Amino acid sequence: DQQVKQNSPSLSVQEGRISILNCDYTNSMFDYFLWYKKYPAEGPTFLISISSIKDKNEDGRFTVFLNKSAKHLSLHIVPSQPGDSAVYFCAASEVPNDYKLSFGAGTTVTVRA
Amino acid sequence: KAGVTQTPRYLIKTRGQQVTLSCSPISGHRSVSWYQQTPGQGLQFLFEYFSETQRNKGNFPGRFSGRQFSNSRSEMNVSTLELGDSALYLCASSLSGTDTQYFGPGTRLTVL
Repeated sequence: DQQVKQNSPSLSVQEGRISILNCDYTNSMFDYFLWYKKYPAEGPTFLISISSIKDKNEDGRFTVFLNKSAKHLSLHIVPSQPGDSAVYFCAASEVPNDYKLSFGAGTTVTVRA
Repeated sequence: KAGVTQTPRYLIKTRGQQVTLSCSPISGHRSVSWYQQTPGQGLQFLFEYFSETQRNKGNFPGRFSGRQFSNSRSEMNVSTLELGDSALYLCASSLSGTDTQYFGPGTRLTVL
């Protein structure tokens, strides 16, 4: 039972443009959301997070937006750079920084030069 | 500071065999979690250990088990392997389990 869904398996964007990755969840108990980035042959690395008390969190080129009523979050990368080409996983937990995370299936981003 | 290490990186087994995977957390980290990654399923939580105690377990059959040693290193064991167990197994460590998790590179298990 996939509680976190990333319905776009892939995204191709031109360098310098915006990348928008989407994520939907079904569990209303989720209170904390994270994005992880994964390069081939490496483990996922933490990118950015957001608590349910906020609707936006920004860190440099990365911004995460949360719409609790729609159970939807998105990650914006502006501007996209070639080094951003990776698989991005959306994850959620019922408590902040919980070790038990529910992950989406991932979106592969390819940034074209 | 060294990151999370997992051994072996690649493993090929046949159905019915058992396998043991190892994870060494970042020095000072006492929480180790295990995840299974399969195509189209994302990462699925297997279990978490803290101070040698399993605190939580995901929805996996009893063939999947684990343990943690006093130095925080963890092992996971899969018995009676099935074809569907072919996956990337990732472990993650954190200081206490209530802070950012750092993932290892994973062990790619192929069951023939």
